[in-house]
Amino acid sequence: GAVVSQHPSRVICKSGTSVKIECRSLDFQATTMFWYRQFPKQSLMLMATSNEGSKATYEQGVEKDKFLINHASLTLSTLTVTSAHPEDSSFYICSAEDRGSYGYTFGSGTRLTVV
Amino acid sequence: QKEVEQDPGPLSVPEGAIVSLNCTYSNSAFQYFMWYRQYSRKGPELLMYTYSSGNKEDGRFTAQVDKSSKYISLFIRDSQPSDSATYLCAMSAGFGNEKLTFGTGTRLTIIP
Repeated sequence: GAVVSQHPSRVICKSGTSVKIECRSLDFQATTMFWYRQFPKQSLMLMATSNEGSKATYEQGVEKDKFLINHASLTLSTLTVTSAHPEDSSFYICSAEDRGSYGYTFGSGTRLTVV
Repeated sequence: QKEVEQDPGPLSVPEGAIVSLNCTYSNSAFQYFMWYRQYSRKGPELLMYTYSSGNKEDGRFTAQVDKSSKYISLFIRDSQPSDSATYLCAMSAGFGNEKLTFGTGTRLTIIP
């Protein structure tokens, strides 16, 4: 089945620094990837839709200058959290859809802790 | 009112019991319905995918969709301790890179 690889799985960074999270579709091409944020014991909140070769579409309330998304190829999307602050600490998850199968495949998630 | 409502639980049942998980929704445009299982600190894993109304069975799992009532269910038979996880329902209006709307998730614990 479709596999989405997400790295790193866990990262700790200092306040004010930037962190990049990678999401790769391993055995299929993903023209669209989705980035979610999840707080403890809560559901997934869609942050943005990443489209290959074009600008990402951000959900209302999500700062596009803080959460930079790049989808430069059909198999790779990156999320960069710029000038991270402790309130950005969260679990970030990407997903993509393999047109050859049904449903969306999720990455394993990245736990970001900003200290 | 949220577009998708799901009882957050927690729900605890003994091993071997039948588990029933449910979601209701308000958007009549939803056509595609999914159930995901999420273990702690992991990404969600797709369990079941259903289009429109009807039932779908896969091993110990059965998904039901009743569009007239805007109600979907996931049944787990012969529940196992390894089924302990958070179960999320999700739905979309279209197929092909349509964004998903998730329920809040139900935390399930199977007691050995």
